[in-house]
Formats: sequence, C-alpha cells, structure tokens
Amino acid sequence: GENVEQHPSTLSVQEGDSAVIKCTYSDSASNYFPWYKQELGKGPQLIIDIRSNVGEKKDQRIAVTLNKTAKHFSLHITETQPEDSAVYFCAATRFQGGKLIFGQGTELSVKP
Amino acid sequence: DTGVSQDPRHKITKRGQNVTFRCDPISEHNRLYWYRQTLGQGPEFLTYFQNEAQLEKSRLLSDRFSAERPKGSFSTLEIQRTEQGDSAMYLCASSLGVAGERYNEQFFGPGTRLTVL
Repeated sequence: GENVEQHPSTLSVQEGDSAVIKCTYSDSASNYFPWYKQELGKGPQLIIDIRSNVGEKKDQRIAVTLNKTAKHFSLHITETQPEDSAVYFCAATRFQGGKLIFGQGTELSVKP
Repeated sequence: DTGVSQDPRHKITKRGQNVTFRCDPISEHNRLYWYRQTLGQGPEFLTYFQNEAQLEKSRLLSDRFSAERPKGSFSTLEIQRTEQGDSAMYLCASSLGVAGERYNEQFFGPGTRLTVL
C-alpha cells in the first residue's frame, strides 16, 4: 500500500549548521510532495512543496529536492536558528487535491 | 484571521459518550479533509469532501465515525460510543480544490485534542 518512510526520527544541530531530513515513498504515481512544520500544540504548517516535474525548489533557507527514479525527496535547512526547532513531516499524494500520506516525523532541535 | 478554525480545541469525555467536532475551512476552499494524529506519529487520513460531497473515506473511519459537510462550508465529525483508542488529535485541513498552481496545498487548523477516559 501507500507508505512514506522518514528519517531520522530525531535530529540535533548547532545553531548555524545545516539540517537534512529524508523521505522515501512507495507509490510511484505520487506527484506532489509537501513538507510541514508542527510546533507543540499546533496544527501542521505548510513550509514548502515540490511537484513531480521539478527536481529542486528553494525558498530562502529552505530547499527541497526530489529524485523520482529513487523515490526519494529531502528537506534541507541552512543556517538553522533556534526557532526552527519543531517536528517536521514529509508527505506525498498521487491524486490532484487528494489525501496526503505522511511520514512519521522528525523532531529537530537547534541548540543555540 | 482567515485560516482554518476548529472547535473545541480540547475535549475530555468518558468512554461510551458521543462527541462532535466542528471545522471551518478557509472561505474560498472547496475541499475539506479530516486527519487523525496520535502522539509521535504523522497525521493519518480519515475522509475528505469536495463541496458537500464526501469523496473518500479511510478504513480507519469505522461505523462509529461520521462526517458531514451539509452546505459545502463547515464540517462536523462525530464519534459515537467513544473508546479509549479514539484519544488523539483530530485535524482538519482545507484546499482550493480547483485546477491551478495551488491545487494541492492543504492548510491545517489547530486541531481538536480528544481524551477518552
């Protein structure tokens, strides 16, 4: 069935360092891959997304890459700041506007 | 604020009671989704609507669960005869639901945290 695997489950970095979170999806028909940031007690917040016809997308300190052949996609955060500390989720979907399949989450801790 | 809103934010109930949650999507959004999230896990899809039509239901949505979106605006999720295993965060999301660059973007509300004693 549809599945998204996310690694690592926890990640601790020093302020200013880069952080990388990786996801693998099982459904080769998946065509949209968003990333969400969730802070304690809040709902997930969409931070960046990528479509299957694009290999990389950047937005300031955040970038996402997609390798369709390997069914991998990754989130890269550069120059991390303490306020980046949160749980990050990757997701995938195969249908236009359909359900999202989420990874298990990565708890990122940025130490000042 | 024009984001997704959910009510209540917290609900504590006793096993066997019925509960109902409400979600108000972003006003111009046609699609509305319900997800469930347990501690330390990613959200799991429950069901979604295009306007008032319920287009898909997960097998997670047992007979005790029912969702409605009667006028294509707000939605309710009811759980009958609650069980301790129903304890979770219930998240609502909405998206434009029309073709275009932002078709797939789903925006989440703050969630309703349910505790079943």
